[in-house]
Amino acid sequence: SQELEQSPQSLIVQEGKNLTINCTSSKTLYGLYWYKQKYGEGLIFLMMLQKGGEEKSHEKITAKLDEKKQQSSLHITASQPSHAGIYLCGADPRGSTLGRLYFGRGTQLTVWP
Amino acid sequence: DTAVSQTPKYLVTQMGNDKSIKCEQNLGHDTMYWYKQDSKKFLKIMFSYNNKELIINETVPNRFSPKSPDKAHLNLHINSLELGDSAVYFCASSQGAGAEQYFGPGTRLTVT
Repeated sequence: SQELEQSPQSLIVQEGKNLTINCTSSKTLYGLYWYKQKYGEGLIFLMMLQKGGEEKSHEKITAKLDEKKQQSSLHITASQPSHAGIYLCGADPRGSTLGRLYFGRGTQLTVWP
Repeated sequence: DTAVSQTPKYLVTQMGNDKSIKCEQNLGHDTMYWYKQDSKKFLKIMFSYNNKELIINETVPNRFSPKSPDKAHLNLHINSLELGDSAVYFCASSQGAGAEQYFGPGTRLTVT
């Protein structure tokens, strides 16, 4: 099975600071998905990366997949309280057509004003 | 407009009972999923259906039986509930497996 390690497990930052969350796999990532979960709610899709070296941005969030396709990072610029939540990375282990996503254990982000 | 909805949102029941959770999506997607999130927030896939056919069945006790009456619905029936079944169950859908999945709000199941 695909094992995804996320770091850090939790992160507390002051509003306006930049931060990075990492997601590392022991196997090649054929599809890497970033989601955000707020307490008591479902997951919100952020971005999907598939190609080595790929980088995508949405508003103040940038996600990258390294060339070897074994590590992804999520970077938030000038964090805001609205960014608080649990960030989860999920991966399709084989690039299969089954949609079987394995998730990391999440990074709890707290942004204080 | 609710994209993926689940009912009920909360479910409290006793050990040994049988219960069902319902999921509906109005996105026109052809693939639907059930995930379980445990108390440590670990999210794990359970089942996946594509066009009403089961395509993923992870190592899940056979007390759990998914049913898909049509492409827009995927229900989860659980027999003989156990304490360890307490978790949040999420339904998700996508247009084709491999595309981004859209999640419902979750059903918090508590077994006492």
